[in-house]
Amino acid sequence: SSELTQDPAVSVALGQTVRITCQGDSLRSNYASWYQQKPGQAPVVVMYGKNNRPSGIPDRFSGSSSGKTGSLTITGAQAEDEADYYCNCRDSSGHHLVFGGGTKLTVL
Amino acid sequence: QVQLQESGPGLVKPSQTLSLTCTVSGDSISSGGYYWGWIRQHPGKGLECIGHIYYSGSTHYNPSLKSRVTISVDTSKNQFSLKLSSVTAADTAVYYCARVNTVVRGFSYDNWFDPWGQGTLVTVSS
Repeated sequence: SSELTQDPAVSVALGQTVRITCQGDSLRSNYASWYQQKPGQAPVVVMYGKNNRPSGIPDRFSGSSSGKTGSLTITGAQAEDEADYYCNCRDSSGHHLVFGGGTKLTVL
Repeated sequence: QVQLQESGPGLVKPSQTLSLTCTVSGDSISSGGYYWGWIRQHPGKGLECIGHIYYSGSTHYNPSLKSRVTISVDTSKNQFSLKLSSVTAADTAVYYCARVNTVVRGFSYDNWFDPWGQGTLVTVSS
């Protein structure tokens, strides 16, 4: 089982705001990175560190962290945001990287 | 820009060793500053870290796979490789390679995978 826990599925109405969460003890001291994966494609990083968006990622994506929960927020979700989202962080040993189980985002 | 490309057999027989290579272009593995990693995704399932390697050869492996995994680096070819021994059907997956970025904040680390290779499907079957 993963040390990072995500809700399996989340839905959001077009144009509304959605928060995707990731829980794990290691998130108390490390920030999660977040990946978007569309069918048949390799994952793409959309957020890393405290709140860093790679070049090319829309500013409707933002990141936050509180306690053992990391969050990826999409403000004004678009149809093209429908995808699987994964969080990643170091595990409790500090030496290994682990992914959460993933959240399937549906934009209604 | 930095690009990664996986290569290797798409079909491996049970009990044999899966071998994949990731060729890096646009960056030099030997310049340091990054780890280089392997990730896999079983059909219809989530992502799983296999392990990562530094140009010096220092490695970190997923504890659940450690007994069967070897990751190596060839700086002269700007490549790093994955070997997974004694494979079974449960090792059928898409295998990705990626660069591991790291920022150190005191005693904490921010890591992220970027960029990724396109992935290669490896099927274990007789």
